[in-house]
Amino acid sequence: GAVVSQHPSRVICKSGTSVKIECRSLDFQATTMFWYRQFPKQSLMLMATSNEGSKATYEQGVEKDKFLINHASLTLSTLTVTSAHPEDSSFYICSARRGELTDTQYFGPGTRLTVL
Amino acid sequence: GNSVTQMEGPVTLSEEAFLTINCTYTATGYPSLFWYVQYPGEGLQLLLKATKADDKGSNKGFEATYRKETTSFHLEKGSVQVSDSAVYFCALSGGNQFYFGTGTSLTVIP
Repeated sequence: GAVVSQHPSRVICKSGTSVKIECRSLDFQATTMFWYRQFPKQSLMLMATSNEGSKATYEQGVEKDKFLINHASLTLSTLTVTSAHPEDSSFYICSARRGELTDTQYFGPGTRLTVL
Repeated sequence: GNSVTQMEGPVTLSEEAFLTINCTYTATGYPSLFWYVQYPGEGLQLLLKATKADDKGSNKGFEATYRKETTSFHLEKGSVQVSDSAVYFCALSGGNQFYFGTGTSLTVIP
């Protein structure tokens, strides 16, 4: 149990376009999901915390109008990179927490975004 | 505040060698501690966890003990395999978020 999927796994887009990444908890309900960004050979940087039915909480320095997060159901959160630019190219990883009584996060396989 | 300091890599070992990856932390309160593993091109997989002092987490031959007196959570394995080659992240849970170490790349050669 505790499987998290992400779609797509890879996406290449042109500069100025928007890209949506989906994160799903497949076998559990996730009231809280997290979005991370990882640069090559570096650790994960938390971008935002997403709670079902409410607005996401963004970390300092993360533009909320550029990285739109929607957590419409207990099994789905989406990250939309709006007006993407080459510097947005990165590996985006989501995670989900299985309920409020645990602090373990289960991670998705990641999405490689390349903006040309 | 909360932070994790992890042994820098890369680490290269021969198959069947003993592995130690050091991890120390600073935290307010009583965090849970985790080791995650990331294989090339993939997300993070939970390897093991410990929720309180003196707990030992173990999985797939890997072990780590939550040492409050030394604020450490070192990862060990007695005999590594080529398939253990990956990046290992130490993390702690504080408040509503995780704090990750910088990751340690391990390469095991036959």
